[in-house]
Amino acid sequence: AQKVTQAQTEISVVEKEDVTLDCVYETRDTTYYLFWYKQPPSGELVFLIRRNSFDEQNEISGRYSWNFQKSTSSFNFTITASQVVDSAVYFCALSAGGSNYKLTFGKGTLLTVNP
Amino acid sequence: DTGVSQDPRHKITKRGQNVTFRCDPISEHNRLYWYRQTLGQGPEFLTYFQNEAQLEKSRLLSDRFSAERPKGSFSTLEIQRTEQGDSAMYLCASSPQLPGQGASTGELFFGEGSRLTVL
Repeated sequence: AQKVTQAQTEISVVEKEDVTLDCVYETRDTTYYLFWYKQPPSGELVFLIRRNSFDEQNEISGRYSWNFQKSTSSFNFTITASQVVDSAVYFCALSAGGSNYKLTFGKGTLLTVNP
Repeated sequence: DTGVSQDPRHKITKRGQNVTFRCDPISEHNRLYWYRQTLGQGPEFLTYFQNEAQLEKSRLLSDRFSAERPKGSFSTLEIQRTEQGDSAMYLCASSPQLPGQGASTGELFFGEGSRLTVL
């Protein structure tokens, strides 16, 4: 069975601060994908990144960066110089094994960026 | 608008009534998914279609739930004899089948959801 844990329920920061959202996953499969999705107040989940289990390179996209560490089963997400528009719920998700068409989501982290 | 669209966006119903939600996926996507999201939780997988074939149903999908995708385009999710525990956001998503890949890699394109409130 797959499991994703996002221990931080809510985080509040002031604009321009850096913030890291934690994600820990569990799976017995050796081939899997990890994702981050953003859910703004409008409700529509927006895909941010996919990382496969064989690629541990960290990735940077603008103010966003992701740190994948198989040794600790973590896939953390950092927003640099946060902005008010970053306020949303962020979900980490996992797809694995024979059911790699469906995602197991964590409970999400509500990020509030205050001006 | 070429994204995933869902209708209605909000539905309030009384316990015991039937409700139906519709999802129109991105036109070139042959895979369609339904998820359910309750307050404070992440989305949970309900069911998956490849074209018109329903390939998997979650145990969350009781006998009161039925989903169809008759022509491999839009999909409907019907809930019969609604219960208060059915109150949730029902999310539809779609994805393409990438060339040479037998399964999706999980990059899903979500609609804005249909929020159901059962009184």
